Amino acid sequence: EVQLVESGGGLVQPGGSLRLSCAASGFTFSSHWMHWVRQAPGKGLVWVSYINSDGRSRSYADSVKGRFTISRDNAKNTLYLQMNSLGAEDTAVYYCARGPYCSGPNCDPIQWGQGTLVTVSS
Amino acid sequence: DIVMTQSPDSLAVSLGERATINCKSSQTVLSSYNNKNYLAWYQQKPGQPPKLLIYWASTRESGVPERFSGSGSGTEFTLTISSLQAEDAAVYYCHQYYDTPWTFGQGTKVEIK
Repeated sequence: EVQLVESGGGLVQPGGSLRLSCAASGFTFSSHWMHWVRQAPGKGLVWVSYINSDGRSRSYADSVKGRFTISRDNAKNTLYLQMNSLGAEDTAVYYCARGPYCSGPNCDPIQWGQGTLVTVSS
Repeated sequence: DIVMTQSPDSLAVSLGERATINCKSSQTVLSSYNNKNYLAWYQQKPGQPPKLLIYWASTRESGVPERFSGSGSGTEFTLTISSLQAEDAAVYYCHQYYDTPWTFGQGTKVEIK
């Protein structure tokens, strides 16, 4: 069974830092691009960042560029999101998501975790 | 970026009736490599994470009731709930994962009439 379990969320003061983790199991983690998506309270879903399968390619939404860093440890089947200089606008539930992977006619679909809440407040 | 536009923003449907949500993408999400549409649908209830209903535009996730179906290709897609149940009241999102950044529709709120 595919599982993505986020952790590391919590209450942090403005300007502070937090590191989110996403533990993956039930699939070949090293084959999949991985993403972070967030959802502010009462708002829609917004993509935050992705990292390719070997970790050499990454991209960020403009709103987090220069403050957030995505990384992965394929040996530990874990995805990370280092978040620095946090502001109130970063308050959201953060979801890790597995991108699809296709090998010939066979494709693994996308999958999501249950999310972890990050609250930025003094 | 690929813009995803859902319609309507909200709809009220009687129990047992059909609910239809549309989603248009500003660019194709159909891959010429594998002929798959990189389009998913989610259901979200208050206080819960999004629940994956449909991926590849028309493949139902395991455990999702058969009354949920997805159709369409290229840039136009539809989520249909064939016979609305009380537990289907929720917000529904479409999502393209064809290209980064991933983008999402604004959401459609389905209410029971």
